[in-house]
Amino acid sequence: DIQMTQFPSSLSASVGDRVIITCRASQGISNKLVWFQQKPGKAPKSLIFAASSLQSGVPSKFSGSGSGTDFTLTISSLQPEDFATYYCQQYNSYPRTFGQGTKLEIK
Amino acid sequence: EVQLVESGGGLVQPGRSLRLSCTASGFTFADYGMSWFRQAPGKGPEWVGFIRRQAYGGTTEYAASVKGRLTISRDDSKSIAYLQMNSLKTEDTAVYYCTRAPRDSSGAWYVDNWGQGTLVTVSS
Repeated sequence: DIQMTQFPSSLSASVGDRVIITCRASQGISNKLVWFQQKPGKAPKSLIFAASSLQSGVPSKFSGSGSGTDFTLTISSLQPEDFATYYCQQYNSYPRTFGQGTKLEIK
Repeated sequence: EVQLVESGGGLVQPGRSLRLSCTASGFTFADYGMSWFRQAPGKGPEWVGFIRRQAYGGTTEYAASVKGRLTISRDDSKSIAYLQMNSLKTEDTAVYYCTRAPRDSSGAWYVDNWGQGTLVTVSS
């Protein structure tokens, strides 16, 4: 199975900040990576697919990059509604696997 | 608007069975693969399995932890995906999510829309 490692596991930031979350795959996955946002008690929401393509309806403040084993999710100009847990997930092979999540908290 | 509505969750004893349904609307159900995920309390999401669209054979893939016990099927005439859960274990306790699974430009399937989830509790 491909192991996905996210860092940091938690992150404190202020409204208006720009943050970067990193995801590393244990082997190359090309660009087969998605990013999700999840708020407490809610279903995950898909943000980005194919490492850098924005899902329909997702604001452009979210951006993704990377290929191979190293990927990043950048969130610019943080707003209160952006504080949540973010997960990466690879879809290069079975089983689909997730990173452990990054909890973004208000400083 | 894409909508996915799960139903059928509840409290069930270990060893018993349960069938979850995912009713889809707002898109042509037959044109998409469908996937199930789950999330145990306080844990991250976990992929459960996937069913291809009939044009690709309607075949399935499963996580090792559920293979042989959980089965995904679909009824395109009703726009419903099912998750049949047999021989349930306490570790199957989770919120189960139905998702739509389109293909990217290379043909690999990913997830774009999620249902709201349904809670399955396996306990005696």
